[in-house]
Amino acid sequence: QLQLQESGPGLVKASETLSLNCNVSGASIDSSSYFWGWIRQPPGKGLEWIGNVFYSGNTNYKSSLKSRVTISVDTSKNQFSLKLKSVTAADTAVYYCTRGSGDFHTWGQGTLVIVSS
Amino acid sequence: SFELTQPPSVSVSPGQTVNITCSGDNLGDYYAAWYQQRPGQSPLMVIYQDNKRPSGIPGRFSGSNSGNTATLTISGTQALDEADYYCQAWDSSTVWVFGGGTKLTVL
Repeated sequence: QLQLQESGPGLVKASETLSLNCNVSGASIDSSSYFWGWIRQPPGKGLEWIGNVFYSGNTNYKSSLKSRVTISVDTSKNQFSLKLKSVTAADTAVYYCTRGSGDFHTWGQGTLVIVSS
Repeated sequence: SFELTQPPSVSVSPGQTVNITCSGDNLGDYYAAWYQQRPGQSPLMVIYQDNKRPSGIPGRFSGSNSGNTATLTISGTQALDEADYYCQAWDSSTVWVFGGGTKLTVL
């Protein structure tokens, strides 16, 4: 059974880089049938798509975040990662990693990242 | 940019049917999905590709998508269906978008 687990610091200082990993178990990350994505949810607000990565390394990012975001795959570790640079308080959110194929079938439990000043 | 609009809240009595709508330009040209999110939990996909139910999702959940509107229908609504519901679509420019979410209250 596919499971996704986010990991990374829960507290990041403003202007620094937020880095999260998503460990994939129960399936191989190098499947051509799916993409791997990151979605976030600020406290009390709705879902926001950040970006996706395919096993090939090809990526798609939300336009407003594109200049700050990098999503990559590490097939040797069966995980993928999110890096968001120059964070501000507006980046405080629960970050979810997902697997999808147009829609998002499987979600991790989410990890709260707070940006402190 | 592609945007999806949902009503902020909807209420229903137990056992009744409720429709939650999601509007976007030519939304019917794309596949829509729906997610249920209970407080403190991760979202759970309840409908994908407009009207397909993932394994384990009860048959009272159904979906449709035509024109500018996708609709999630819950028939025989139960108290445990009270949650936030989000629509999502993927447009041709490889942009994934979520609606703002609808809070369903079962009175």
